Amino acid sequence: EVQLVESGGVVAQPGGSLRLSCEASGFRFEDYTMHWVRQPPGKGLEWVSLISWNGEKIHYTDSVKGRFTISRDNSKNSLYLEMNRLRTEDTAFYYCAKDLLRFGGSYFDSWGQGTLVTVSS
Amino acid sequence: QPVLTQPPSSFASPGESARLTCTLPHDINVGGYYIYWYQQKPGSPPRYLLYYYSDSEKGQGSGVPSRFSGSKDASANTGILLISGLQSEDEADYYCMIWPRSGYVVFGGGTKLTVL
Repeated sequence: EVQLVESGGVVAQPGGSLRLSCEASGFRFEDYTMHWVRQPPGKGLEWVSLISWNGEKIHYTDSVKGRFTISRDNSKNSLYLEMNRLRTEDTAFYYCAKDLLRFGGSYFDSWGQGTLVTVSS
Repeated sequence: QPVLTQPPSSFASPGESARLTCTLPHDINVGGYYIYWYQQKPGSPPRYLLYYYSDSEKGQGSGVPSRFSGSKDASANTGILLISGLQSEDEADYYCMIWPRSGYVVFGGGTKLTVL
């Protein structure tokens, strides 16, 4: 059974930093593109970033470019999101999601339960 | 950044059908894109439902009932999720998604389906 477990969500101050983690199990993590998707409480989904199976292909949505960094450690079956220069509008549940494909381009067939990041002074 | 437009709410009765739409911007032709659909219930992560490209290129998520189906309306530049034989458990938020270009994903704003 595929499992994705996010952690690292806390209350942070504007301008602060945070690192989210997602631990994967139940599938060959190294074979798939992974994503971060966020959802402000009570609002819709927003795709944040993706990283290909080998880390060579990385993309971000415009609002986080230059502030967030996605990475992965295939030896630890883990996905990460380093979040810097946090803004109040970054407040959201952050989900990690598994792409169907090695290089992405398809649907997200598994999702974690999410971790809540709150940016507030 | 392209915007996928979904009506914020939809209402239907048990046993009826619900037709949820996802309209693409004018500069993106729905015919050239895979439309992916997700269901999200309160307190849970999204769940993948299905994708639709054409009648010969479509797919259902694992365990998703055949009551859920996809289609397109080219004249309206719209992707459609049809849910037939509505059940109370179908009450949820529904999101469409596309890859407008390589390395970029867009979700629609979501439709809250209420089964009255």
